[in-house]
Amino acid sequence: NAGVTQTPKFQVLKTGQSMTLQCAQDMNHNSMYWYRQDPGMGLRLIYYSASEGTTDKGEVPNGYNVSRLNKREFSLRLESAAPSQTSVYFCASPPGFGPGTRLTVL
Amino acid sequence: AQTVTQSQPEMSVQEAETVTLSCTYDTSESNYYLFWYKQPPSRQMILVIRQEAYKQQNATENRFSVNFQKAAKSFSLKISDSQLGDTAMYFCAFMPPNTGNQFYFGTGTSLTVIP
Repeated sequence: NAGVTQTPKFQVLKTGQSMTLQCAQDMNHNSMYWYRQDPGMGLRLIYYSASEGTTDKGEVPNGYNVSRLNKREFSLRLESAAPSQTSVYFCASPPGFGPGTRLTVL
Repeated sequence: AQTVTQSQPEMSVQEAETVTLSCTYDTSESNYYLFWYKQPPSRQMILVIRQEAYKQQNATENRFSVNFQKAAKSFSLKISDSQLGDTAMYFCAFMPPNTGNQFYFGTGTSLTVIP
């Protein structure tokens, strides 16, 4: 029982590149979330999924897309990365959190 | 709208002493969940303690306990016998029902334990 897993842990992208962050939970929870955390700041909600097949925008959705592939998996995609997206990204399936992904966009 | 306020951006405490971190929230819901998370320098979000609003008894987890005052909408965290490993950012979080279990976070309190 791993709780919430995220990959990758670290990633460096160039401006304009794309990538997908993967998240999976083994707790049979309905809801899953993607947050970003900028240095010295709290967590801001990007997107969430209340149940399989549904997704909703959070506070800062611009520049991101999500897919709730099945009940276990919830992925976050950056189609054209920008330096403003440099951040630490957390997937959550309350009350558990993944270990985070440190993303740097050059 | 649901809001969570942590009014202490930074705090410090001597090792082995007790410290209390404050959190207030605003909601019209009668049932909900409250959480305290610890975020050490590794950035991992670690669940410290949770409280269900319908339970009057304050939650405790070893050296961590809460003072839940529902009428005052207050949810403070008490850390007893502070240890160096308690140095971290602490976030208070609120989860109302019927919103897809969405968290609302405070801005955090940075706690330093001084040897």
